[in-house]
Amino acid sequence: DIQMTQSPSSLSAFVGDRVTITCRASQSISSWLAWYQKKPGKAPRLLIYWASSLESGVPSRFSGTGSGTEFTLNIDNLQPDDSATYYCQHYTTFPITLGQGTRLEI
Amino acid sequence: EVQLEESGGGVVEPGRSLRLSCATSGFTFREYAISWFRQAPGKGLEWVGLIRSETYGGTAEYAASVRGRFSISRDDFRSLAYLQMNSLRTEDTAEYYCSRGQTVTGAKYYSDHWGQGTLVTVSS
Repeated sequence: DIQMTQSPSSLSAFVGDRVTITCRASQSISSWLAWYQKKPGKAPRLLIYWASSLESGVPSRFSGTGSGTEFTLNIDNLQPDDSATYYCQHYTTFPITLGQGTRLEI
Repeated sequence: EVQLEESGGGVVEPGRSLRLSCATSGFTFREYAISWFRQAPGKGLEWVGLIRSETYGGTAEYAASVRGRFSISRDDFRSLAYLQMNSLRTEDTAEYYCSRGQTVTGAKYYSDHWGQGTLVTVSS
C-alpha cells in the first residue's frame, strides 16, 4: 500500500498569514492527489484534485503543487473559517489511502 | 444540487450486522462511482471501499481492514448505495461517510461530494 505522510501534524497561524502543508507519498503517484478540508460535525470538502486543480467554488486562496512523491497545500490570506483539519489522499491505485491529517488553528 | 445522505447508523453488538444506505440526488447516479469512508473517534479519515459505475463493471474495491466483512452494492434505479457490514468489531466504531467518486479514467477516483455521515457504534 502507498503510505501518505503529512507534516506538520498541527499548526497555529493568524488571520492574513500564509501556511503550507506538506504531503509525501511512499512511492510515486504522479499527480493523482486530492486535498480535503474536514471540520467537526461537517462533511469533508474537496479542495484540490490532480494535485493542483482547484475544485469549483473553492476560494483561490487555496492552491496545490507537486508531483511524484512531494506535494504541498498552500493557503494564502488565512481566514477564521479556515480552521479545520486538512487531509491529502492519493488515488493512483487501490487501496486509496489518506494522510493522517493536519490540524490548522487560526 | 448534488446531495448525498447516509442513514442506518446506530448501536450494534460485536459480531452483528448493519446496513448503511446512501441516498443521492442532483446527478445521474448510474454514471458515478460511490465511495465509503469512515472516521473513528479522535482519528483521521479512512477509505473503506468503492463501487464503480456499471460503465466500468460495477465492481467494488475494499480496504484490507474490512475486506471479507463489508460489501458495497448499488441500486441505480433508486439512486441508492449500500454498505453491508457483517461481523462488526469494536474498532469499526466510526462516523461513516458516502461520497461521489469522480474519475476521468475509470480507474482512478477522488471524491467531489460527500454526505454528512452516520454514526456506527459497536459495543456490547
